[in-house]
Amino acid sequence: GEDVEQSLFLSVREGDSSVINCTYTDSSSTYLYWYKQEPGAGLQLLTYIFSNMDMKQDQRLTVLLNKKDKHLSLRIADTQTGDSAIYFCAEKCRSGNTGKLIFGQGTTLQVKP
Amino acid sequence: EAQVTQNPRYLITVTGKKLTVTCSQNMNHEYMSWYRQDPGLGLRQIYYSMNVEVTDKGDVPEGYKVSRKEKRNFPLILESPSPNQTSLYFCASSFGSGIYNEQFFGPGTRLTVL
Repeated sequence: GEDVEQSLFLSVREGDSSVINCTYTDSSSTYLYWYKQEPGAGLQLLTYIFSNMDMKQDQRLTVLLNKKDKHLSLRIADTQTGDSAIYFCAEKCRSGNTGKLIFGQGTTLQVKP
Repeated sequence: EAQVTQNPRYLITVTGKKLTVTCSQNMNHEYMSWYRQDPGLGLRQIYYSMNVEVTDKGDVPEGYKVSRKEKRNFPLILESPSPNQTSLYFCASSFGSGIYNEQFFGPGTRLTVL
């Protein structure tokens, strides 16, 4: 079945770039998402990419998709302390039309001043 | 303001005491879903509903019930809560279940079962 994997923790200094990585297994066309969860808050959709695209840029965020390796990354340029949060990679499950999002474990991003 | 609301936001209860977590959306969405979030596991789907009176099990439905009597509401019911249901719960909604439909999430309900 579908599976999404992420590393659990990343620490960067303020002003550096952060790169959060994710791998997925579904080989069919789908949407891939990045969500941000700040402490005590719900999930905020940051950006998404369709699986036939290679890259998407939105201000400080760049999403790169390597379809051959089923590897997705989120790059945050000029990382700020306000970017400290848990970041979830997710893919939309295509089988069974359940509407289910399959989430990775979440990567905790720590930004040091 | 378009939103998904959940109540309560925090709940501490004891084993076996029935509880209901409410979820409501004001976007006229047909599709609604419940997830639970546990450390190191991400979010897993508990139940989902394609429309009024249409519900189905997700990946981890044991110990939970849902109902969808109205389009806007999708309550999660724990008939006899147990400590392994201590978790952070999220409700989500979207226009449909297809891959083109963005899901909107509620703020979460943190449940502790003693």
